[in-house]
Amino acid sequence: AQSVAQPEDQVNVAEGNPLTVKCTYSVSGNPYLFWYVQYPNRGLQFLLKYITGDNLVKGSYGFEAEFNKSQTSFHLKKPSALVSDSALYFCAVRAYGQNFVFGPGTRLSVLP
Amino acid sequence: GAGVSQSPSNKVTEKGKDVELRCDPISGHTALYWYRQSLGQGLEFLIYFQGNSAPDKSGLPSDRFSAERTGGSVSTLTIQRTQQEDSAVYLCASSLVEGGHYNEQFFGPGTRLTVL
Repeated sequence: AQSVAQPEDQVNVAEGNPLTVKCTYSVSGNPYLFWYVQYPNRGLQFLLKYITGDNLVKGSYGFEAEFNKSQTSFHLKKPSALVSDSALYFCAVRAYGQNFVFGPGTRLSVLP
Repeated sequence: GAGVSQSPSNKVTEKGKDVELRCDPISGHTALYWYRQSLGQGLEFLIYFQGNSAPDKSGLPSDRFSAERTGGSVSTLTIQRTQQEDSAVYLCASSLVEGGHYNEQFFGPGTRLTVL
């Protein structure tokens, strides 16, 4: 069965500092990996995805994520956090023939 | 272009009543998903429609829940005899499925259901 773990419920970072939101996964077969962001009182928005190819993928709003097959991880990163990045972040995984599975979410707070 | 729309945005109902939630996916998206998100929680998969294939209903929590997708476009999620534990935000998403790859889902704003 597929599963996604986001080991941190909450991540706090100062504005201007780099941020990392962690995600690990478990699937049978090759994974398709996604990050979504949910701002308060709004729907989920797609940030980036890994399907195949370069392990480092770049997405919206300056975010990037690195696929690490050996560690089964897909951590979300940004070199310099903004207060406006404060939101709920979801990692999701899908394998061929399977449904999307979302992680429980990590709340990011960027402090001014 | 228009995104995924859902209606109503908010629904308050009494325990035991039936409710219908509507989702209009992005035109041309063949895949449609329903999820449930309880307060501060992650997404719980409910049901998945893909083209003319039989829907994947494996996430529906009970037989009080059902969904239809008419004409490969609009979908309706129906909850019969609502219970207080059904209170949540119900999210709909659609996506393209092409080339054997899985594309990102586009989410609607959700319907907040409150069962009194």
